[in-house]
Amino acid sequence: KAGVTQTPRYLIKTRGQQVTLSCSPISGHRSVSWYQQTPGQGLQFLFEYFSETQRNKGNFPGRFSGRQFSNSRSEMNVSTLELGDSALYLCASSLGRYDDTQYFGPGTRLTVL
Amino acid sequence: KQEVTQIPAALSVPEGENLVLNCSFTDSAIYNLQWFRQDPGKGLTSLLLIQSSQREQTSGRLNASLDKSSGRSTLYIAASQPGDSATYLCAVKGNYQLIWGAGTKLIIKP
Repeated sequence: KAGVTQTPRYLIKTRGQQVTLSCSPISGHRSVSWYQQTPGQGLQFLFEYFSETQRNKGNFPGRFSGRQFSNSRSEMNVSTLELGDSALYLCASSLGRYDDTQYFGPGTRLTVL
Repeated sequence: KQEVTQIPAALSVPEGENLVLNCSFTDSAIYNLQWFRQDPGKGLTSLLLIQSSQREQTSGRLNASLDKSSGRSTLYIAASQPGDSATYLCAVKGNYQLIWGAGTKLIIKP
């Protein structure tokens, strides 16, 4: 069974631009969660999508948004990039129950210049 | 508000030693607790998941325990190997998200 895949793996953008990251979950998984990892703040929850609906959201500004498609693939968008958005963005998939194991992708390393 | 703490932040031990990593959390209302490892520049690999109703889980040389009443979990690594060098993170599942500790950076010296 293929694992969680994320594209692109690396991305360099400049301040003010926008970016879209993609996540393909494990086949059969209906939940996709997104996390931001930085050296200063560690891992923080962005949002979770389940069956094309945003089920939960963390404490991030509205510049961070996402969506999920009918095949469970998910995209995350960040508009008006700031230097502080430089981070490793991780997505995780699960079957969707609250007690499920989450399986993580390799991440997308975003650098904002 | 749930807070997760991992002690120590870094640990260096000789190969072959048994070791324990600690994780504590402030709110016992959790669905589960999960241990992950992260290699430099890489994503997260799930090691063990303990449901809130369980006391421990084992996988190979790894054993994780959970004591909800005291808000503690330990990850025991037996007969450590250089390949175990990584950052180990614990995360507790609350209502809808994983709350993370800052991790323990483990170095196993050959």
